[in-house]
Amino acid sequence: GQQLNQSPQSMFIQEGEDVSMNCTSSSIFNTWLWYKQDPGEGPVLLIALYKAGELTSNGRLTAQFGITRKDSFLNISASIPSDVGIYFCAGRGGSGGGADGLTFGKGTHLIIQP
Amino acid sequence: DTGVSQNPRHKITKRGQNVTFRCDPISEHNRLYWYRQTLGQGPEFLTYFQNEAQLEKSRLLSDRFSAERPKGSFSTLEIQRTEQGDSAMYLCASSSDREGYYGYTFGSGTRLTVV
Repeated sequence: GQQLNQSPQSMFIQEGEDVSMNCTSSSIFNTWLWYKQDPGEGPVLLIALYKAGELTSNGRLTAQFGITRKDSFLNISASIPSDVGIYFCAGRGGSGGGADGLTFGKGTHLIIQP
Repeated sequence: DTGVSQNPRHKITKRGQNVTFRCDPISEHNRLYWYRQTLGQGPEFLTYFQNEAQLEKSRLLSDRFSAERPKGSFSTLEIQRTEQGDSAMYLCASSSDREGYYGYTFGSGTRLTVV
């Protein structure tokens, strides 16, 4: 089945630093999504990307849908303590076809040191 | 509306027992999804409903897993003859055709522990 490779697996950064994480796939996707998950909670959508090459911002977050439709990145600028959590990329549609469900990466665990 | 509601939040069961989880979606959402999330992994899609019709069930993990949404509102996920490998967080999500992915909302999940 389709798989998403997300990196890095974890990040230890200082408060105020910028963060960058990415996701790649062997298959194309029609939609890329970025989620944040806090302990004991479900994922919360941060940004949705619908077109190849699309660059979208949401406050301090910026994400891009790769032109090959096989990759995406998420940047967080000027990190703050509440950015701590696990960030997931997810894709929908493309060559795998069929289901309306999402394919998730394994997550990037962001840890911020004050 | 308080979002997607899942019950119970935690369930501990003995191996071999049957368990059932409930999901109440956002009221105006016609689509409902079930996912499983194991430790250190992202959510894994299991099945989805549009209204009461189950449109995708090939991703259910085995014939011990089944889901229903009889009136197009709440849904239940049942696992029969539970095994230790079934221990995971089971997440429900709902969405509507009108809102796109910004309306695709997850619940807080049911954490299952099989002992």
